[in-house]
Amino acid sequence: AQSVTQPDIHITVSEGASLELRCNYSYGATPYLFWYVQSPGQGLQLLLKYFSGDTLVQGIKGFEAEFKRSQSSFNLRKPSVHWSDAAEYFCAVGARGGGADGLTFGKGTHLIIQP
Amino acid sequence: EAGVAQSPRYKIIEKRQSVAFWCNPISGHATLYWYQQILGQGPKLLIQFQNNGVVDDSQLPKDRFSAERLKGVDSTLKIQPAKLEDSAVYLCASSLTGPTEAFFGQGTRLTVV
Repeated sequence: AQSVTQPDIHITVSEGASLELRCNYSYGATPYLFWYVQSPGQGLQLLLKYFSGDTLVQGIKGFEAEFKRSQSSFNLRKPSVHWSDAAEYFCAVGARGGGADGLTFGKGTHLIIQP
Repeated sequence: EAGVAQSPRYKIIEKRQSVAFWCNPISGHATLYWYQQILGQGPKLLIQFQNNGVVDDSQLPKDRFSAERLKGVDSTLKIQPAKLEDSAVYLCASSLTGPTEAFFGQGTRLTVV
């Protein structure tokens, strides 16, 4: 069965500083990988996704993520955070091959932005 | 393009009562998912529909939860009877082509007291 680990429950970053959120996954082959963001009282918004090809993926709001097969990781990065980036971030893995393809999510990382 | 619509946004019920949630997916999206998100955790898949057929309900507590998707469009998720541990946000998502383009609704926050 697939699983996702987000080791950091909370991360505090100063506004303007760089950010890296960690994500490790367990899956038998190369999965679909996603990062979602959730603001309080809101649904999930897709930041970026990896299916195949270039292992560095660009997303919305200036985010990027790098797929590293050897480390089973898909870390999310942003060079300079803004106060509006404060939210909950979820990494997720999806199965390939059609059929049952619902996502398995990590427990999330709560991002706090210091002024 | 309209997004995934869910109602109600909030619901408070007493334990052992029943409750139903409604989801209207994006037009033309054949795949519909229901997720349960308990406070402090990531969403957990409850059930996946492809048109009006169930693809995966392996994590649905079938003794109390049920879901249907009549005519392959709208879907309802029901809990009967509710327990305290069912307090969560219930998220509906839909996609045209599997998980690669799934869009989430804002969710229904259920509080069981």
